[in-house]
Amino acid sequence: DAGVTQSPTHLIKTRGQQVTLRCSPKSGHDTVSWYQQALGQGPQFIFQYYEEEERQRGNFPDRFSGHQFPNYSSELNVNALLLGDSALYLCASSLGRGVYEQYFGPGTRLTVT
Amino acid sequence: RKEVEQDPGPFNVPEGATVAFNCTYSNSASQSFFWYRQDCRKEPKLLMSVYSSGNEDGRFTAQLNRASQYISLLIRDSKLSDSATYLCVAGTASKLTFGTGTRLQVTL
Repeated sequence: DAGVTQSPTHLIKTRGQQVTLRCSPKSGHDTVSWYQQALGQGPQFIFQYYEEEERQRGNFPDRFSGHQFPNYSSELNVNALLLGDSALYLCASSLGRGVYEQYFGPGTRLTVT
Repeated sequence: RKEVEQDPGPFNVPEGATVAFNCTYSNSASQSFFWYRQDCRKEPKLLMSVYSSGNEDGRFTAQLNRASQYISLLIRDSKLSDSATYLCVAGTASKLTFGTGTRLQVTL
């Protein structure tokens, strides 16, 4: 039973650049949520995708955007990177729309220099 | 004020001890509650869901008090392998809100 996978594992970008992170949900799951976790903090909700649409969004600027594909995989895009965007980006999958048990992938560690 | 508040710790306990973590949430619209465990530089892993009736999974017991907006986690007979950060989570609609976590260190 394949768990949640994310790519890449690590990424180093320069301020002002754009980045795309990828996530494949756990087998049988159809909902993907994205979180940002800064050092020493809990994960902060970015947005959730269900049926290829953004269903709910946290307090993140429009520089953060996403997409969900028909196979339920998802991408997170961040434009005009800032130093403060350096964090662990976590993808979580669940079954169905709503607040259900979410299972996390290993994350992508983004460093912005 | 943070939506989910936890004591950051660290809690340093000897092996075999019982330790309790508490958490409060501010959004009364929260519908679902969880405890996650996170090891250093790893992803959070679901430990257990939390219900008003309380639930137990082996050495772990979780409790929810909706009136007080309070969630607890009790770990009995602590093992070295329990050392981790424990994240308290409250969910509304599609969104999970995490606390900053409580760090537990179990020692010999």
